[in-house]
Amino acid sequence: EPEVTQTPSHQVTQMGQEVILRCVPISNHLYFYWYRQILGQKVEFLVSFYNNEISEKSEIFDDQFSVERPDGSNFTLKIRSTKLEDSAMYFCASSFGGYYGYTFGSGTRLTVV
Amino acid sequence: SQQGEEDPQALSIQEGENATMNCSYKTSINNLQWYRQNSGRGLVHLILIRSNEREKHSGRLRVTLDTSKKSSSLLITASRAADTASYFCATDLIPNDYKLSFGAGTTVTVRA
Repeated sequence: EPEVTQTPSHQVTQMGQEVILRCVPISNHLYFYWYRQILGQKVEFLVSFYNNEISEKSEIFDDQFSVERPDGSNFTLKIRSTKLEDSAMYFCASSFGGYYGYTFGSGTRLTVV
Repeated sequence: SQQGEEDPQALSIQEGENATMNCSYKTSINNLQWYRQNSGRGLVHLILIRSNEREKHSGRLRVTLDTSKKSSSLLITASRAADTASYFCATDLIPNDYKLSFGAGTTVTVRA
């Protein structure tokens, strides 16, 4: 069964450093997403991406965040200057269309120290 | 705003028993989905039920949807220790963007 692949599975970074979280969505999917889950809290929507542009973003997704689909297969989330409160599990997801459901990756656990 | 609130928050049952958890939401939806998450791990998609469907089965899972009450239930029959996990319902808020809003989840513990 096709999978969404995320790398790395765990990343530790110093506060203020830039991080790039990587995702390879399912190849024929059209919609791509990033979600995050702070430990013990709900999964929160960050951003959706369709047709090579952001289609929607939440209030969490401020200027520190950016997304890219640089080569038609990878989908990246960049955090420019990490803060302690960015520590969370970040999930990538892709979809052919919400009517058909979503496939989530196994997540990247980001720890900012 | 968040929608898709699960109830109960936690559930502890004996192996072999059934586990039922509920989800309520506030606005009209395109579909509702249930996910499982083992501690500290990824989200596993269990079932998607569309707004025009009332019941769906997948193995030992049964999901119902009542759009008039804006609620859904997930039933796990003949539970096993491996079913120990958190279960989340997720609704799509804006059909054209297909983004999901998750509830806080029900933590299910199945005792051997």
